[in-house]
Amino acid sequence: SQTIHQWPATLVQPVGSPLSLECTVEGTSNPNLYWYRQAAGRGLQLLFYSVGIGQISSEVPQNLSASRPQDRQFILSSKKLLLSDSGFYLCAWSVIRYEQYFGPGTRLTVT
Amino acid sequence: GDSVTQMEGPVTLSEEAFLTINCTYTATGYPSLFWYVQYPGEGLQLLLKATKADDKGSNKGFEATYRKETTSFHLEKGSVQVSDSAVYFCALIVGGTSYGKLTFGQGTILTVHP
Repeated sequence: SQTIHQWPATLVQPVGSPLSLECTVEGTSNPNLYWYRQAAGRGLQLLFYSVGIGQISSEVPQNLSASRPQDRQFILSSKKLLLSDSGFYLCAWSVIRYEQYFGPGTRLTVT
Repeated sequence: GDSVTQMEGPVTLSEEAFLTINCTYTATGYPSLFWYVQYPGEGLQLLLKATKADDKGSNKGFEATYRKETTSFHLEKGSVQVSDSAVYFCALIVGGTSYGKLTFGQGTILTVHP
């Protein structure tokens, strides 16, 4: 069966510090991968998606970037965090276009 | 563009009460519709889906019917339990892309009391 992992589960970082969140998927090959953000009291917003290694598309211009160094690994990064980057970050995968499966999420607090 | 509108919460019910969470949408194409549930401190889980008009998605006692004429996908459950307390998200995907961009509503918080 397929499994998706995210780490860390929680993170507190000062403004201006770098960020690296990691997502890995097991049990499937060549998945589509996604990063979503859920800000406090709001719905989810798609940040990035990837249809293959090294292929990254951004949905929203922002302080973040994404990379896919391996087929089942998706990384979300920032060089300098802003207060507005605080939120709950969710990674998801899909093989069938209309069925996405989400990881447990990372709660990021920027202080 | 595509959008999803959910009824504002929070919704507070007693155990065994009937639940309805309204969801309406606008879409540039023919969407597939979803309900996701988020339990406290966890990620999202796919609750049910419907991919064409008049389809009824169902799971764990929850149901939703794809109503193209009213552009709606309301979530219902006949008798809620305390364990149903969670945030519920309505979402859609429009065809024409290979990757499947989900557009979410803002979420509805449900609290069920014993």
